[in-house]
Amino acid sequence: GQQLNQSPQSMFIQEGEDVSMNCTSSSIFNTWLWYKQDPGEGPVLLIALYKAGELTSNGRLTAQFGITRKDSFLNISASIPSDVGIYFCAGRSGSRLTFGEGTQLTVNP
Amino acid sequence: GAVVSQHPSWVICKSGTSVKIECRSLDFQATTMFWYRQFPKQSLMLMATSNEGSKATYEQGVEKDKFLINHASLTLSTLTVTSAHPEDSSFYICSARKAGGAGELFFGEGSRLTVL
Repeated sequence: GQQLNQSPQSMFIQEGEDVSMNCTSSSIFNTWLWYKQDPGEGPVLLIALYKAGELTSNGRLTAQFGITRKDSFLNISASIPSDVGIYFCAGRSGSRLTFGEGTQLTVNP
Repeated sequence: GAVVSQHPSWVICKSGTSVKIECRSLDFQATTMFWYRQFPKQSLMLMATSNEGSKATYEQGVEKDKFLINHASLTLSTLTVTSAHPEDSSFYICSARKAGGAGELFFGEGSRLTVL
């Protein structure tokens, strides 16, 4: 089946630092999505990417859909304590959504 | 817009009983809903795809007689864990795709099931 490799698994950063995480796959996806999940909550959609090469921003977040359609990255600039959580990438092919393993982000004040 | 609500948010039950979890799209119609299971510190695992008015499609390894899914309307899907056992304890999350939308999935808040 399709697999997404998400890295890093965890990050510990200081408030104000920039963060970058990425996902790669051996399969092509039509859509890349980035979600954030807080403990005990469902994932919340951050950014959706629909075209290869697309670069989209949402406030301090920027994500790109790789040209090969097999990868995507998410950048968070000037991190703040409330950025803490688990970030998941997800690739969509047809009706199926495949999730990465998640990146646990810890921001120290 | 695009709010998905799950109920209950947490439930504790005795082994052998059945538990029903509801997933509602509050402000949009969802022709397709998905049910996921998530273990601690792990990613979401798709259990089944639920289409309104038809039988759910289950992922390999998911017992359809144990996890009954009903998608009776465009705004409601239910997951019933039948004869629950402690190993069924998990975080269950639903998501809904907006009918006519660009394909984004909106997730519910999740339901924490603990089977004693």
